[in-house]
Amino acid sequence: EIVMTQTPFSLSVTPGQPASISCKSSQSLLHSDGKTYLYWYLQKPGQPPQLLIYEVSNRFSGVPDRFSGSGSGTDFTLKISRVEAEDVGVYYCMQSIQLYTFGQGTKLEIK
Amino acid sequence: QVHLVQSGAEVKNPGASVKISCKASGYTFTTYYMHWVRQAPGQGLEWMGIINPASGGTSYAQKLQGRVTMTRDTSTSTVYMELSSLKSEDTAVYYCARDISATIDYWGQGTLVTVSS
Repeated sequence: EIVMTQTPFSLSVTPGQPASISCKSSQSLLHSDGKTYLYWYLQKPGQPPQLLIYEVSNRFSGVPDRFSGSGSGTDFTLKISRVEAEDVGVYYCMQSIQLYTFGQGTKLEIK
Repeated sequence: QVHLVQSGAEVKNPGASVKISCKASGYTFTTYYMHWVRQAPGQGLEWMGIINPASGGTSYAQKLQGRVTMTRDTSTSTVYMELSSLKSEDTAVYYCARDISATIDYWGQGTLVTVSS
């Protein structure tokens, strides 16, 4: 099973400031088809998760451009250029190259 | 508009089974695989398995092999997840979620299953 490790466990950010979350996988997520099967989700309080980023760096429909994803192989990063109050919640990375596994989550709070 | 509507909360005794439904609408049911994901109280997301609504084919998380069964009814556009031999550790919110190109785009509202004697 591929293990996904996120850091930090939590972060507290002042509105308007940037935030960054790291996700590392125990195996490469680059498939022979050329795609990298790494995704980012945000779970807002009391809601199901919502897809933010697919295949490392592609924003899903309706996702603000302050969210961006980068990385390759086993190391990935989600960045929020300017945090807003509505961004609070728990962020998860997920891999789907070998079944599916989620990171343990990173809780974002507003200072 | 895609909707995934799940059945209501359940309370079960240890050792019992639970079967949750997820009715899909707003798209062609047999075109997209469906996942089941659960979340224990205050914990992260755990992938349980996936079903192909067209063929009924399934793939389950190794941890749950032998206890989980996913089925579908194409006549009602509904998928089901049954979990047997329930333990207290199975207390969680269970989500169905639609697959699109190896990720998840739409989620059901969640079904709370409480396992307690």
